[in-house]
Amino acid sequence: AQTVTQSQPEMSVQEAETVTLSCTYDTSESNYYLFWYKQPPSRQMILVIRQEAYKQQNATENRFSVNFQKAAKSFSLKISDSQLGDTAMYFCAFTQMNRDDKIIFGKGTRLHILP
Amino acid sequence: GAGVSQSPSNKVTEKGKDVELRCDPISGHTALYWYRQSLGQGLEFLIYFQGNSAPDKSGLPSDRFSAERTGGSVSTLTIQRTQQEDSAVYLCASSLVGGYFQETQYFGPGTRLLVL
Repeated sequence: AQTVTQSQPEMSVQEAETVTLSCTYDTSESNYYLFWYKQPPSRQMILVIRQEAYKQQNATENRFSVNFQKAAKSFSLKISDSQLGDTAMYFCAFTQMNRDDKIIFGKGTRLHILP
Repeated sequence: GAGVSQSPSNKVTEKGKDVELRCDPISGHTALYWYRQSLGQGLEFLIYFQGNSAPDKSGLPSDRFSAERTGGSVSTLTIQRTQQEDSAVYLCASSLVGGYFQETQYFGPGTRLLVL
């Protein structure tokens, strides 16, 4: 069975610093998608970034980038120049490329950006 | 509407009562998803709809949980004879085409359910 593990329940960094959130997953499949979702205090989940496993290039979205290590089954999220608005829960998620296959979320990392 | 909306935003109920949670997806989105987020846990997939049909109901935790979607739009998640362990945030999401969980899902703000 596929699993997603986020080993850091909570983190705090100063504003403008760079922070990396870790995520590992377990699967026997070779084709899949990985996601990072952000859940601010408003509870509304927002997709931050996604990565297709067949792409070697790491995905980037402005200040957000990932370090995708397929062999190690690792998918970390790097937030550069962190801002107060980045304070949120961050969930790593995994789904296979098969139609109707479910999405599996990690338990999340609570990130605090300190002024 | 502009985004996914859910109602009520908060619900307190007594053990044994039935509750209905509502989700209004983004207009034109074919797929709709329900998740449960318990305290300290990630999101647990419950059910998804492709149009009005639910191809996979295996995520529903018990037969006290049911969901329906009418007109390819609004969905209702019903929990009968609520138990304290049902207390959680119930999140709804929608996506444009559906059938593939890799499609970007747009989430609502959730309903926080507290069973006393």
